[in-house]
Amino acid sequence: GAVVSQHPSRVICKSGTSVKIECRSLDFQATTMFWYRQFPKKSLMLMATSNEGSKATYEQGVEKDKFLINHASLTLSTLTVTSAHPEDSSFYICSARVLAGPYEQYFGPGTRLTVT
Amino acid sequence: AQKITQTQPGMFVQEKEAVTLDCTYDTSDPSYGLFWYKQPSSGEMIFLIYQGSYDQQNATEGRYSLNFQKARKSANLVISASQLGDSAMYFCAMREGRSGSRLTFGEGTQLTVNP
Repeated sequence: GAVVSQHPSRVICKSGTSVKIECRSLDFQATTMFWYRQFPKKSLMLMATSNEGSKATYEQGVEKDKFLINHASLTLSTLTVTSAHPEDSSFYICSARVLAGPYEQYFGPGTRLTVT
Repeated sequence: AQKITQTQPGMFVQEKEAVTLDCTYDTSDPSYGLFWYKQPSSGEMIFLIYQGSYDQQNATEGRYSLNFQKARKSANLVISASQLGDSAMYFCAMREGRSGSRLTFGEGTQLTVNP
């Protein structure tokens, strides 16, 4: 149980285009999902907290208009990187929080974005 | 100030031996949770073990155990009988509050298991 999928796993796009990344909880409902960014050999940086049916909460320094988050259902959150630039190239990971217990987060396999 | 500190950027261990990965934390909240995650080179984050601040006993999950020393604010991960597949990055993380949603991660420790 507690499987989170992420799609695509790898994407290459040109500067100026937009890219959408999907995060799905496959066997549980997640009212809260999280989006992280990770640079090589570094820790995870929380970008935003996504709540089903409401606006996402962004961390300080994260541009809301650049990283659009939508949490349309209890099993799906999407991150859209708009007008991508090479500096947006990174590993993006989503996670979903279980509704009870220790509230551990289960992570998707990540999406490697390369902007050329 | 760092909320989660992992002081070992890299660790090496021989196959079949035990290894301890260090983690110290800082919080003033009496209710918190501590987590360990494993990240292999493929990038996925794998949940390993959890310790709640009010738990009386140290958490164990198979070959993983958490050495929780509350007064010292440390939550070290012990991996027994290391296997080659244990080679990965290991992250300690903390959730503050009884049901707080955010996780704060440490910088990670790269573990290499030698045959």
